Amino acid sequence: DTAVSQTPKYLVTQMGNDKSIKCEQNLGHDTMYWYKQDSKKFLKIMFSYNNKELIINETVPNRFSPKSPDKAHLNLHINSLELGDSAVYFCASSHHRNTNYGYTFGSGTRLTVV
Amino acid sequence: DQQVKQNSPSLSVQEGRISILNCDYTNSMFDYFLWYKKYPAEGPTFLISISSIKDKNEDGRFTVFLNKSAKHLSLHIVPSQPGDSAVYFCAAQRDSGGGADGLTFGKGTHLIIQP
Repeated sequence: DTAVSQTPKYLVTQMGNDKSIKCEQNLGHDTMYWYKQDSKKFLKIMFSYNNKELIINETVPNRFSPKSPDKAHLNLHINSLELGDSAVYFCASSHHRNTNYGYTFGSGTRLTVV
Repeated sequence: DQQVKQNSPSLSVQEGRISILNCDYTNSMFDYFLWYKKYPAEGPTFLISISSIKDKNEDGRFTVFLNKSAKHLSLHIVPSQPGDSAVYFCAAQRDSGGGADGLTFGKGTHLIIQP
């Protein structure tokens, strides 16, 4: 009955590969997000998405693309992985009219590119 | 261009005492401020928030104070308990009509409660 679940929890892959991280929420929220926590521990937003619009942080390389098959899922696809992509990626969700009540985060996916 | 700053990487407090975590921000467009707590290998969990039209919000042992003129907020935990040991993130957002801009996080403060 996990509210926001991500898979896999750990992902080790070689440079140049393409990989996906899946995210599902069962809270009935209409907005989902991907955040990246880098080696300096900063949590930065990568994307926010609801059924109306996708907002992309302009600093995110176009090798990263969110894919949403439905309102409960927002997967993160990464092409041509690079060493600098190693980080912990967090999925989150919220109701767009009540974001001041907090976002719900998944437990994170630790991606290691070797 | 760090818009949310937590200048104390760590803080050690004795059990039963008050813990005060500080946060400063630079963007005057922020309308909501939130505190998250994070344990290792878990995602951040929402703790408490405050709107920019208020200066205080209280929830049990947790109180957040906002000084808008100083662009400063603080989280008070009293009394501190061992389970409060975690990393605390300050976050802010603009009222962009849906929160689509997401949250801007500080770097976090590692709170350690000493028995």
